[in-house]
Formats: sequence, C-alpha cells, structure tokens
Amino acid sequence: DAKTTQPTSMDCAEGRAANLPCNHSTISGNEYVYWYRQIHSQGPQYIIHGLKNNETNEMASLIITEDRKSSTLILPHATLRDTAVYYCIVRDSNTPLVFGKGTRLSVIA
Amino acid sequence: DAGITQSPRHKVTETGTPVTLRCHQTENHRYMYWYRQDPGHGLRLIHYSYGVKDTDKGEVSDGYSVSRSKTEDFLLTLESATSSQTSVYFCAISDSDRAVWTQYFGPGTRLLVL
Repeated sequence: DAKTTQPTSMDCAEGRAANLPCNHSTISGNEYVYWYRQIHSQGPQYIIHGLKNNETNEMASLIITEDRKSSTLILPHATLRDTAVYYCIVRDSNTPLVFGKGTRLSVIA
Repeated sequence: DAGITQSPRHKVTETGTPVTLRCHQTENHRYMYWYRQDPGHGLRLIHYSYGVKDTDKGEVSDGYSVSRSKTEDFLLTLESATSSQTSVYFCAISDSDRAVWTQYFGPGTRLLVL
C-alpha cells in the first residue's frame, strides 16, 4: 500500500507556481521521498527525490518539513505541458516503487 | 531519456492465447520491473528482476511469468490471456550502482484481450 496521502486534484494558473502537497507521517529514517509524474498515456517520469534536505533541479523544487512527515513539490512556473498526475512516493533504496492515486494537476491558461 | 523500449506497443489478442511482452534496455541497469496500469488502480507491480535469472513477484503476479536471460531484456508472459489482463503495461529499470535507485519507465504497451 502507498504510504502517502495526496489531494485528488488541483488547478493552477499558467505561469504561476504549482505547489503539490504530500503527507507521509509514517516515513522511516531510511526512506526517501520521490516525486514522479505521468502525462496522459505516457510512462511515469522521474522528477526529483530527497531524504531530509530541500532539493532543486531543472524541473522542480522539493521542500521537506523538518520532521519529514510532509513535503511539497513546487513547479515554479507551471505551463500547460505540466498538466499530469503527480505521484509522491516514499521508499528506501531497496524496494520497487509503490504508486498511489496521485494528484491530478490541471494547468489552466 | 533512459534507453528503454517496449515491444509491441499495441496488441490485440484473444482469450486463452499466450502473449509475450518485451522490455529492452541499453543502460546496462541491473534492476528491471513490470507494472500494469488500470483505471482506478494506478500502477501496480507485477514482477521484477534484480539480475540475470533472478526475479521476484510483485503485488499482482498471478497469471504472469517473467524471464531474464540477459541483462538487457526482461520478458513478461501471459500464458493464457484473460480479459482481466487487458491493461497498459509499463517496464522500468533502475541502477543499483547508485546510492539511491531511481526508476525510469518505458513508453508502455497497450494490451487488449478480447
């Protein structure tokens, strides 16, 4: 079973920051937080991951709370092409990814 | 993008026939995975492999078998396809040489069992 809780859907205006929350209150010390997204009909795409520090790459930023029980994925300037289902996943380095239902993000022009 | 291809990309078959899906990688990654995706269920792990000839079951392995005779290929076989196996199948790979194993996914195979 997925160890995370995400809102079912969110809307974001094009050009604005999209902030996608994720709760993972039972996360253990050796588990990482991963974010993937799936654009319609395509395979899931890796976005970013982190353990306890905030992370940033060319796609997004990941903010993890100090107690690690929740995190937020930030797409700084959402475009229509960012419309997708976003999955927050926690796992240690030894297990396959377990996907939940994710958040359906709709970027609106 | 990771070098992952899946074949065929689309297949229509009849109930009771055997079906084999192929996942091919050019990354020399040790780990390979098969998932299926259905409306209302999201992605679910079928089988995975942690090396040549080494495989393990996932969440929904009944009715499926896998084989990995070489690093680059991971085959998923439906011995006798059923309508409940109509789905989109995704292959993924990951690199065990890194401290954190990020999985990369292929483009998917759409299977329709009539």
